This record gives sequence, C-alpha cells and structure tokens, in this order.
Amino acid sequence: AQSVTQPDIHITVSEGASLELRCNYSYGATPYLFWYVQSPGQGLQLLLKYFSGDTLVQGIKGFEAEFKRSQSSFNLRKPSVHWSDAAEYFCAVGAGDYKLSFGAGTTVTVRA
Amino acid sequence: DAGVTQSPTHLIKTRGQQVTLRCSPISGHKSVSWYQQVLGQGPQFIFQYYEKEERGRGNFPDRFSARQFPNYSSELNVNALLLGDSALYLCASSQDQGSQHFGDGTRLSIL
Repeated sequence: AQSVTQPDIHITVSEGASLELRCNYSYGATPYLFWYVQSPGQGLQLLLKYFSGDTLVQGIKGFEAEFKRSQSSFNLRKPSVHWSDAAEYFCAVGAGDYKLSFGAGTTVTVRA
Repeated sequence: DAGVTQSPTHLIKTRGQQVTLRCSPISGHKSVSWYQQVLGQGPQFIFQYYEKEERGRGNFPDRFSARQFPNYSSELNVNALLLGDSALYLCASSQDQGSQHFGDGTRLSIL
C-alpha cells in the first residue's frame, strides 16, 4: 500500500529565512512524487513533481525538492521565504496521474 | 486557458439528502479524479474516470458514485448524506500519465 508521512504539522519561519518541509513515502515501485500548496479556501496548486531522472527537482515560486530513494524521502526546500508562502503544503505519491495518496499536510506560518 | 472548474462552490444539505457535484476539466484533459478533504487532513482519493470509464475507486461506501460525460466533464453523487460527509470535495483533471490539476473545490456542509 502507498502512503505519505509529513512529520511536521506546523512550522513557523521568519520572512527571509530558509524553509524545509519533510516528506517520507511508502510505495512498492518507482514512485511519482508531488508537492502541492493550498491557500485557505482554495484548491491545490502543483509546486513540483518527480517522475524520473535528476533527483533534485526545481519548481515554481522558487521551491525545490530532492528525491532520496535510500531514505524514502522527498523533502521540499526554499532558500528564502516570503510572507506569501504562508499556506498548507501537501506531499503526494502515486503512479503518474493515478490515485494519489496525500500526507496530512504541513501548515507554514511566516512571521515578519 | 480555463482551469478546472467546479460547481457549486458551497452547498448546505441535511442528513439523508442526496447531492450532486459537478466538474469541468481543463480542455484536452480526458481524466477526472475526485478527492474528499476533511478539515485538517489531506485529500483522500474517491474515484478516477478516464475516457468515460471508471479507472479506480478509493475506500468509500457505495453511497458515493460518479460518472463522466462525452465532453469529459464529471459528476460526483453522494446519497443518504451523513454528518461525516462534510468536507471539501476536490476535482482534478489530467492528461494520461500527466500531473493532476485541481479545481477550487465544493465545500459541502451537512446539518
């Protein structure tokens, strides 16, 4: 069975500081991995995805993520956060576009 | 290009009633998926349809059903509503093996 664990429920970070969100997955084959962001009252926006190839993936809004097969991890990073990055972030695993399994999410608060 | 559109945006129902939620995919996308997101949790997979055929079903009771139309739009139906069905229902569309693109969802409240 496939599953995703996001160990951090809530993270607070100062504006301009770096951010790292953790994601661990369980999947029986080569995983397709995704990070989505959700602002209050809205749907999910795709930040980045990993299907194959280079294990360091660049996404939108200055985010990047690194796939580490040995650790079953796909952590999301941003070097310098902006107040507009305050949102909920979800990691997901699946077989391409099929039947994604999401983590419980990490809420990011940005303080001035 | 228009993104995934869902209607209605908000809905209030009472226990035992039935509800139909609607989704229009991005133009050219033939696959539509439905997810339920309960407050404070991540989305849970309900159904996926591809070319009007059910491609997969999540762990939801038979009260939940869906269909996809020739224009690739989709409906999600829930019968005999329970308080626990209160959630944000998200629709996502994709091209085959592509990334899923989500709509803003329908917020369903059960009284």
